[in-house]
Amino acid sequence: DSGVTQTPKHLITATGQRVTLRCSPRSGDLSVYWYQQSLDQGLQFLIQYYNGEERAKGNILERFSAQQFPDLHSELNLSSLELGDSALYFCASSASDRANTEAFFGQGTRLTVV
Amino acid sequence: QQQVKQSPQSLIVQKGGISIINCAYENTAFDYFPWYQQFPGKGPALLIAIRPDVSEKKEGRFTISFNKSAKQFSLHIMDSQPGDSATYFCAASNPHTGANNLFFGTGTRLTVIP
Repeated sequence: DSGVTQTPKHLITATGQRVTLRCSPRSGDLSVYWYQQSLDQGLQFLIQYYNGEERAKGNILERFSAQQFPDLHSELNLSSLELGDSALYFCASSASDRANTEAFFGQGTRLTVV
Repeated sequence: QQQVKQSPQSLIVQKGGISIINCAYENTAFDYFPWYQQFPGKGPALLIAIRPDVSEKKEGRFTISFNKSAKQFSLHIMDSQPGDSATYFCAASNPHTGANNLFFGTGTRLTVIP
């Protein structure tokens, strides 16, 4: 168990809908990352937050947004969902934003858009 | 554009054999090269990591070899066991961006045959 908790584990929704994925980082970790894992794209970095502030953006669509709350948990919001958004979404956390800091991954949320 | 290229896509090895997975990168600013292991239904977990100031790092049966001039690194699993059957991802991060998000390879599915 990595200590990173993601909910829900599975989510099935229809195209055009909006969903929210939740992540609780390891106790004491200030950095939260979101990654998307799909069969054709592999693991792609979406966005990073550090202590409530956005730190880095990757291949995140404009339909997607995220935030980190004062208690350090994070939510990833996906809207106007398309079939191609079906993927595993992973949250990871690390103690700091410094390079070489180990990132711990949650078990992921499997999103299926039908 | 895949910043870290990984091969092979899949690998089948006999129990007791050596598994070798290779990765290459172009961005010379990358400064941290971890390998992650992922079992079905689980998130990636850090296996071993290396920085470019060393050419090899060994932890138990797992060894990373690093060739800075060729911009290549590889994972060697000695005495491979059926329990090693998993998907392995190489990754890299660039400390100069102010973030430490990871760029992942596309993954290698390892199967160790008893």
